[in-house]
Amino acid sequence: AQRVTQPEKLLSVFKGAPVELKCNYSYSGSPELFWYVQYSRQRLQLLLRHISRESIKGFTADLNKGETSFHLKKPFAQEEDSAMYYCALPCPRDDKIIFGKGTRLHILP
Amino acid sequence: KAGVTQTPRYLIKTRGQQVTLSCSPISGHRSVSWYQQTPGQGLQFLFEYFSETQRNKGNFPGRFSGRQFSNSRSEMNVSTLELGDSALYLCASSLQGASPYEQYFGPGTRLTVT
Repeated sequence: AQRVTQPEKLLSVFKGAPVELKCNYSYSGSPELFWYVQYSRQRLQLLLRHISRESIKGFTADLNKGETSFHLKKPFAQEEDSAMYYCALPCPRDDKIIFGKGTRLHILP
Repeated sequence: KAGVTQTPRYLIKTRGQQVTLSCSPISGHRSVSWYQQTPGQGLQFLFEYFSETQRNKGNFPGRFSGRQFSNSRSEMNVSTLELGDSALYLCASSLQGASPYEQYFGPGTRLTVT
């Protein structure tokens, strides 16, 4: 069954410390995963997708097929990174996207 | 381009009533998806419409229904409201389909059922 798991509901990190938001997936095929972010009082928006292999706002995410993971990382957290982060798994055969339950990232000053 | 718009932004209803939410996608986008967002369950997929056809549906009861018009605008209807239906309902549009394309989200409609 297709599934996305974000094990942490809340992650608190000090400013300047490294950040890692965990995402594990279950998918019978070659996955294309996304990270979406929702800042306070803003719309949910795409942060990055693994096929583009880009760094957005200092965040990167590497698809690890062996561990079925797509963790989101940033070496040095900034206060403006505080937001809700969702890992998303597109399922083209079903034409839908499965979202994880989200992790709230709280950057401590 | 104007973003995805949703109306109304806030709604308070009583148990047993029904409600209709509206979504206008980005111009040129033919796919509209609906999601229910709650603190406990995160984002849950309701359904996706493309060119007026419902292509997929999530695991929600039949009280949740939707439709899409020829101009790609979409409506979602919830009948016989229950307290548990209180949530933020998000609509998202994309050019060709829900997956694997980037979705653009609206601000949401906050539904409170009392």
